[in-house]
Amino acid sequence: AQSVAQPEDQVNVAEGNPLTVKCTYSVSGNPYLFWYVQYPNRGLQFLLKYITGDNLVKGSYGFEAEFNKSQTSFHLKKPSALVSDSALYFCAVRGSTLGRLYFGRGTQLTVWP
Amino acid sequence: EAGVTQFPSHSVIEKGQTVTLRCDPISGHDNLYWYRRVMGKEIKFLLHFVKESKQDESGMPNNRFLAERTGGTYSTLKVQPAELEDSGVYFCASSQAPHQPQHFGDGTRLSIL
Repeated sequence: AQSVAQPEDQVNVAEGNPLTVKCTYSVSGNPYLFWYVQYPNRGLQFLLKYITGDNLVKGSYGFEAEFNKSQTSFHLKKPSALVSDSALYFCAVRGSTLGRLYFGRGTQLTVWP
Repeated sequence: EAGVTQFPSHSVIEKGQTVTLRCDPISGHDNLYWYRRVMGKEIKFLLHFVKESKQDESGMPNNRFLAERTGGTYSTLKVQPAELEDSGVYFCASSQAPHQPQHFGDGTRLSIL
């Protein structure tokens, strides 16, 4: 069975500091992993994906994610946080059935000035 | 290009009534998905269309939910009769191919009183 866990409901970080939003997954077969961001009253915006290849994936707005197969993790990172990064972040994995995404519960990121 | 659009953005109805949600995918996207997020919980898959055909409807909660995609363009999701537990945000997403990132609409916030 496919599943995603985001162990932290909230992450707080000061502007300019590095940020990490954690995600672990369980999937049969090769994982196809995604990060999405949601701003208030908006839909989910695609940030980045891991399909295969380099374990460090670069995405939009300076975000990157590190795929770790042995730890079944796909943590989202940014070297220097901005106040405008404050939003709800979702990790997702594509299941064995083509297309369908399984989401984590989301992590609310707050970056304070 | 225009993004995924959903209508209405909000709907408040009474238990037992009928509501129809509409989704217009990005032009040319054959794959269309419906998801739902109940307050504070993870986003859950409802179903997946490929053109006008239902590829996967395993996430539909019960037979009060009916999804259609006539002509393979826009899709509707009808809830009849609505129950209190149907409240939540309904998201629609589309992609060119199943392995491509899904693009989400802003969602319809459905409140059942």
